[in-house]
Amino acid sequence: GAVVSQHPSWVICKSGTSVKIECRSLDFQATTMFWYRQFPKQSLMLMATSNEGSKATYEQGVEKDKFLINHASLTLSTLTVTSAHPEDSSFYICSYLPPGRIEQFFGPGTRLTVL
Amino acid sequence: DAKTTQPTSMDCAEGRAANLPCNHSTISGNEYVYWYRQIHSQGPQYIIHGLKNNETNEMASLIITEDRKSSTLILPHATLRDTAVYYCIVRVINDMRFGAGTRLTVKP
Repeated sequence: GAVVSQHPSWVICKSGTSVKIECRSLDFQATTMFWYRQFPKQSLMLMATSNEGSKATYEQGVEKDKFLINHASLTLSTLTVTSAHPEDSSFYICSYLPPGRIEQFFGPGTRLTVL
Repeated sequence: DAKTTQPTSMDCAEGRAANLPCNHSTISGNEYVYWYRQIHSQGPQYIIHGLKNNETNEMASLIITEDRKSSTLILPHATLRDTAVYYCIVRVINDMRFGAGTRLTVKP
């Protein structure tokens, strides 16, 4: 399957700071990538769809000004959590749909802890 | 999108086949059945998908009923490393929407 990487794998930050998470597709170019978050003991929830060269589409209830998504190239999408608060502590996972495929491939996830 | 129903949890003995059921009675004609799994603290891993026909790959087999209202994921020889949450998702080609899944525990 396709390979997706995320960086960092975990991060701890102070409340009020911003954190950037990178998602890279290593063997395919991806026009569309997806961002999910997962709270403890819960399932994955889609946050937004990231389209290369255009604005991301956010799911209902997800603040676009708080979770900034940039998909500036076909291999890199970034999620920036701005002014992070403890309730933003979660497991953030990206995925993408390679061209010509109908199955998605997921990154290993980034665990964010906000103190 | 079609809603799926899976058992909350299942156990399986190591070396035996694990059969994970999924009901999707409201599936529409252009929706695929996808299976993913998530091992603790990792990103989901793609397992298999199908539309109408049964499918098999190196990881598992997918059996879809003729009316497409249910399916079964089969892990032919479960190992301890197959312990995970297994998600059945019915979707057209698009983002994946995850339900609660089935927590499979493979026991020695």
